[in-house]
Amino acid sequence: QKEVEQDPGPLSVPEGAIVSLNCTYSNSAFQYFMWYRQYSRKGPELLMYTYSSGNKEDGRFTAQVDKSSKYISLFIRDSQPSDSATYLCAMSAGSGYSTLTFGKGTMLLVSP
Amino acid sequence: DTAVSQTPKYLVTQMGNDKSIKCEQNLGHDTMYWYKQDSKKFLKIMFSYNNKELIINETVPNRFSPKSPDKAHLNLHINSLELGDSAVYFCASSEGKNIQYFGAGTRLSVL
Repeated sequence: QKEVEQDPGPLSVPEGAIVSLNCTYSNSAFQYFMWYRQYSRKGPELLMYTYSSGNKEDGRFTAQVDKSSKYISLFIRDSQPSDSATYLCAMSAGSGYSTLTFGKGTMLLVSP
Repeated sequence: DTAVSQTPKYLVTQMGNDKSIKCEQNLGHDTMYWYKQDSKKFLKIMFSYNNKELIINETVPNRFSPKSPDKAHLNLHINSLELGDSAVYFCASSEGKNIQYFGAGTRLSVL
């Protein structure tokens, strides 16, 4: 079993839809959870950062972490064509010099 | 001003050649990283340096050698390039150990 599982998609939605992106993980030591957005031929860009369980909202984006289920989600409200990108979840244990473990990314396509 | 900058953006070279990729960050971060993103878009850590000292060295062929002249720079030298080295290489930096900021990537094609 891979440490972080993420459906690669593509996920196609019409403009204005609510998008749900998810990752599951197996390492119970993970405490820090991030979502990165990567446009084609660009570097990953940090979108959301959450510590431990709970929700975090930033504009149209909401990140949720359920550590008991080892499941994290990113919700995008009122999706726009400019949201079309690959979304990568990443997580770390945060102890010592722990590295980020990335999911493979979900490609999102928002059509006008 | 770009926070994490890599050069070159594109690198096309023949098998067996030696090449270097440079990375600089102006964020004042202590820790820098090299990642490899393969054709399936999977991002995998290669190396990490903290204040010029190597702290993470994943299972990477020793043809790959990182060098950190100071905490703002982390270069990657690759000897005897192979076809399988073709990928996008990303540099990143972080202040703490978790939130990492990425460069735009160097697209390496080995022919």
